Amino acid sequence: DTGVSQDPRHKITKRGQNVTFRCDPISEHNRLYWYRQTLGQGPEFLTYFQNEAQLEKSRLLSDRFSAERPKGSFSTLEIQRTEQGDSAMYLCASSLGLAVLNTGELFFGEGSRLTVL
Amino acid sequence: QKEVEQNSGPLSVPEGAIASLNCTYSDRVSQSFFWYRQYSGKSPELIMSIYSNGDKEDGRFTAQLNKASQYVSLLIRDSQPSDSATYLCAVNGVSNFGNEKLTFGTGTRLTIIP
Repeated sequence: DTGVSQDPRHKITKRGQNVTFRCDPISEHNRLYWYRQTLGQGPEFLTYFQNEAQLEKSRLLSDRFSAERPKGSFSTLEIQRTEQGDSAMYLCASSLGLAVLNTGELFFGEGSRLTVL
Repeated sequence: QKEVEQNSGPLSVPEGAIASLNCTYSDRVSQSFFWYRQYSGKSPELIMSIYSNGDKEDGRFTAQLNKASQYVSLLIRDSQPSDSATYLCAVNGVSNFGNEKLTFGTGTRLTIIP
């Protein structure tokens, strides 16, 4: 399978616990995105990497959220001290970006669904 | 004002009819526009992209763009039950930090009635 893979697919945790999600993008893609999606809403941008550099973080991303892409390949998204409002689907996507306003397609993984009790 | 606006629906269309989905956007400098389809419980997948004013056809799908009106639409001809899904409009632009950013609308839920 050469698509974007995410792990775990489902995570149930208690409020206050830390959780970490992993994303493995398509191997030749240099851009990696994290989005969050709640029921009835479209994906909301969280953060974006070009290679290993985190170029942008949304204002939606509080200090409890941190993302890394240490070698420009896989990425992790960690949420510390989870809150019930963090319950959502966390989507990872990758693309082969060539230039600003590149029109490359985003390839999404199947997502990691987080439920905070 | 939201950056990308869509009617959330649900939109019900009889099988075989034309489904029309609409989207407006606020950033006048946006240059690239996309329609993603998302089945329930699945991730979004790209079905159409359009970059210049006018119509772009791909099989049963036609995307229409009017940059002056900041309006994008998707027409689905000969609607099939398998077209039942949420359709997300996405607009490419540049963030305040100068990075390319894809912004999604809330999606329109489409149901094709057999």
